[in-house]
Amino acid sequence: QSALTQPASVSGSPGQSITISCTGTSSDIGGYNYVSWYQQHPGKAPKLLVYDVSNRPSGVPDRFSGSKSGNTASLTISGLQAEDEADYCCSAYTSSSTWVFGGGTKLTVL
Amino acid sequence: EVQLVESGGGIVQPGGSLRLSCAASGFAFSSYWMHWVRQAPGKGLVWVSCMSGDGSNRRYADSVKGRFTISRDNAKNTLYLQMNSLRAEDTAVYYCSRDTVMHMDVWGQGTTVTVSS
Repeated sequence: QSALTQPASVSGSPGQSITISCTGTSSDIGGYNYVSWYQQHPGKAPKLLVYDVSNRPSGVPDRFSGSKSGNTASLTISGLQAEDEADYCCSAYTSSSTWVFGGGTKLTVL
Repeated sequence: EVQLVESGGGIVQPGGSLRLSCAASGFAFSSYWMHWVRQAPGKGLVWVSCMSGDGSNRRYADSVKGRFTISRDNAKNTLYLQMNSLRAEDTAVYYCSRDTVMHMDVWGQGTTVTVSS
C-alpha cells in the first residue's frame, strides 16, 4: 500500500494553467478508472474535485479537469485564481480492494 | 443537508484506546460504504478503513490491521472506529467520508487524536 507519487509543490500565476501529476502502478491507477482528486485548504476538510478520472461533481468549475495515461493521472487547473491556492491530493482504488492517496501537492498562486 | 460530524478524539497514552464516532445526517446512511481517512500533522491524507452499508464487508490499511476496528450502527446513523494499541504514529486528524461509487464525496470536519505520554 505505497502512497501514490505527487510533486511536493507547483506554482503558477493568475490566469495560467498548471498540471499536477499522480503516479501509481498497474495495481491502482493503471488498473481501474477509479481515480479521484481532492482540494484541501488549510485547516479544512478535503473537497472532491474530480472522480472516475475526469468527471466533476456539480458545482466544481470546469477549470478543473482530470485525465489518465497508463499508471499516471493528472489534474489540470486552467485560468488559475487566487482561491485555488491549496493542497491537492489524488486517490485511487487498488487491486487489494483498498484505497491509496498521494502525498499531496501544495499549489502556490504567485 | 448532507452532513458528517466526527467526535471522540483526544489525547491518549501509547498503548491506549480510543473510539471515534461519525454521525451522519441528510442521506440514507445504510445505503453507503463509509471510510475513515487520517492526516498526520503537516502530512498527506492516508486511507485507514472502510465498511459496506450493511456492515458485512470491512477493509483495513496494513498499518492499522489488527489494532483498529470499524463498525456502524445504521439505526443510529453512526460510524465508529475503535482504536487499540495506539502508537505515536497514529497521531492525526481522523476524517470520516461517504463513498459514492468508489470516490469520497462527503467529508466530515475531522477529529484530532494525539498519542503521547
